[in-house]
Amino acid sequence: NAGVMQNPRHLVRRRGQEARLRCSPMKGHSHVYWYRQLPEEGLKFMVYLQKENIIDESGMPKERFSAEFPKEGPSILRIQQVVRGDSAAYFCASSPAGRGQEQFFGPGTRLTVL
Amino acid sequence: QKEVEQDPGPLSVPEGAIVSLNCTYSNSAFQYFMWYRQYSRKGPELLMYTYSSGNKEDGRFTAQVDKSSKYISLFIRDSQPSDSATYLCAMILGANNLFFGTGTRLTVIP
Repeated sequence: NAGVMQNPRHLVRRRGQEARLRCSPMKGHSHVYWYRQLPEEGLKFMVYLQKENIIDESGMPKERFSAEFPKEGPSILRIQQVVRGDSAAYFCASSPAGRGQEQFFGPGTRLTVL
Repeated sequence: QKEVEQDPGPLSVPEGAIVSLNCTYSNSAFQYFMWYRQYSRKGPELLMYTYSSGNKEDGRFTAQVDKSSKYISLFIRDSQPSDSATYLCAMILGANNLFFGTGTRLTVIP
């Protein structure tokens, strides 16, 4: 039973470019969450999605960041016009419906902005 | 004031020692309390979660919640070098996002 899959594992972008991070939830999980981990800081919630629906995006920066979880395919976290401050590890987690206390995390995508 | 406070350590113990990791929180509405283990450059791994005050045991790990004091603990018995990692406490409101502590870095010395 495959766990949460994230790709790419490492992503390097220059300032002003776009970053696309992908997440495939565990089999049987319909809810996806995105978190960001900055160096020496804890994990911070960004957005919570179900298929074709954003449930809570209270942790998402208002500009340049967007997320989707289409009916088919992985969830995507998109960062437009990246800046150096976006450099971080981005983790995706998934859970069964109504079981937010059972969030299982992927290996993360480490974004470096040059 | 942060929602969740956790001593970052680092904490070093000899193999076989009992480890105590702790978090405090400010929001009495938190419903579930989780402990995650994170190895360097890996994703967090869910160890266990509890709902009510009291103890929950799983192998060498015991999670303890005291809602009246807003204090949670994770005890590791007979600690092993493979337990060396960063331990993250987390709490949840409803079915949504987790609020994490900053993590305690643990080293178990053989």
